[in-house]
Amino acid sequence: GENVEQHPSTLSVQEGDSAVIKCTYSDSASNYFPWYKQELGKGPQLIIDIRSNVGEKKDQRIAVTLNKTAKHFSLHITETQPEDSAVYFCAATKGTSYGKLTFGQGTILTVHP
Amino acid sequence: GAGVSQSPSNKVTEKGKDVELRCDPISGHTALYWYRQRLGQGLEFLIYFQGNSAPDKSGLPSDRFSAERTGESVSTLTIQRTQQEDSAVYLCASSPRAGVGNEQFFGPGTRLTVL
Repeated sequence: GENVEQHPSTLSVQEGDSAVIKCTYSDSASNYFPWYKQELGKGPQLIIDIRSNVGEKKDQRIAVTLNKTAKHFSLHITETQPEDSAVYFCAATKGTSYGKLTFGQGTILTVHP
Repeated sequence: GAGVSQSPSNKVTEKGKDVELRCDPISGHTALYWYRQRLGQGLEFLIYFQGNSAPDKSGLPSDRFSAERTGESVSTLTIQRTQQEDSAVYLCASSPRAGVGNEQFFGPGTRLTVL
């Protein structure tokens, strides 16, 4: 089955700096890669996603890049703010899995004012 | 509109007892997923429903775990003879339909503690 590895497990940055979280996946058939943000005591919330036919996608301060050949994808957050502090999860799925997501282990991002 | 709701929010039980966790998906969402999140870890898939049928139960850890869904509505996850390793947050998500690219909307989860 699919396996998703996520790094780093914790990331601490100063407000205004950029943050990058990286994930690798094992199943070359995976074709959809969402990123979720989980705040304390809440369920994960989708923040951005990318399909395998696209190399990069951007939404304001967040962007995701995908390298299909290397089977890795990354989340980039620019101009970080304290409210970006949360746990971030990457995930992967493929067409034959009816949306079942395989998640990475999560990254605790702390943005210091 | 209303999101996914789960109840109870917290459940403390003794080893060996049965527990039932409830999920109310967003109205009209045909796909429903259960995941388990152990402390400090990512989410593990448990089971998926399309309508009230469960095409994929591959993530259920043992035969002590079962789930059902009434039509395209509420779902319950039952854990029989709970063990301490069952302690985790159980998350439910619903989606307008199953398949790649359909956003899964998560509930707040039920935190289960088995003493």
